[in-house]
Amino acid sequence: DAKTTQPPSMDCAEGRAANLPCNHSTISGNEYVYWYRQIHSQGPQYIIHGLKNNETNEMASLIITEDRKSSTLILPHATLRDTAVYYCIVRGVYGNKLVFGAGTILRVKS
Amino acid sequence: DTEVTQTPKHLVMGMTNKKSLKCEQHMGHRAMYWYKQKAKKPPELMFVYSYEKLSINESVPSRFSPECPNSSLLNLHLHALQPEDSALYLCASSQEGLQETQYFGPGTRLLVL
Repeated sequence: DAKTTQPPSMDCAEGRAANLPCNHSTISGNEYVYWYRQIHSQGPQYIIHGLKNNETNEMASLIITEDRKSSTLILPHATLRDTAVYYCIVRGVYGNKLVFGAGTILRVKS
Repeated sequence: DTEVTQTPKHLVMGMTNKKSLKCEQHMGHRAMYWYKQKAKKPPELMFVYSYEKLSINESVPSRFSPECPNSSLLNLHLHALQPEDSALYLCASSQEGLQETQYFGPGTRLLVL
């Protein structure tokens, strides 16, 4: 699976959009981009995933660049409860493990 | 409903004790997983069960013994653990296998004294 690079930490003001970047320059054609988050001392929570098209659900939007070498997770109106570690994971379609990197610590501040 | 439950929430055990962690899901998922997460580190895969059979063991020491009695239940039996085994143990499940989205439980916080 391709490796991902994320900033170690980011701050965001409450009510503003949080844009979390992820680089995955070695991604191959059949690899998906997954996003999970982990609020302190809880289990990881699935957020969203995508292959090449942008995706949106009730939690977030995922924007994948046309060359697929990077992506951005957007939380449109961040709240204090969105403070968490956000993991960007690239994994293949068939039988690939979920390998967590260090992630980005997002701190939402009032 | 994407709920995976784990019991107990917290567990303290001595190095000579035997204990078990339990994980349950009622989503009809056929793959279940155990992960271990040390403090300030990301989760690491330990075991994968697919259709109630162990399909992946990530070279985990034998003092950790997984069991999948049926498709909705996953246990992790612990025996003769070391203090360095203290961690958050996470269970996850997915519909069919590794290629599907995994949903995690809240974890069991284990302290080995």
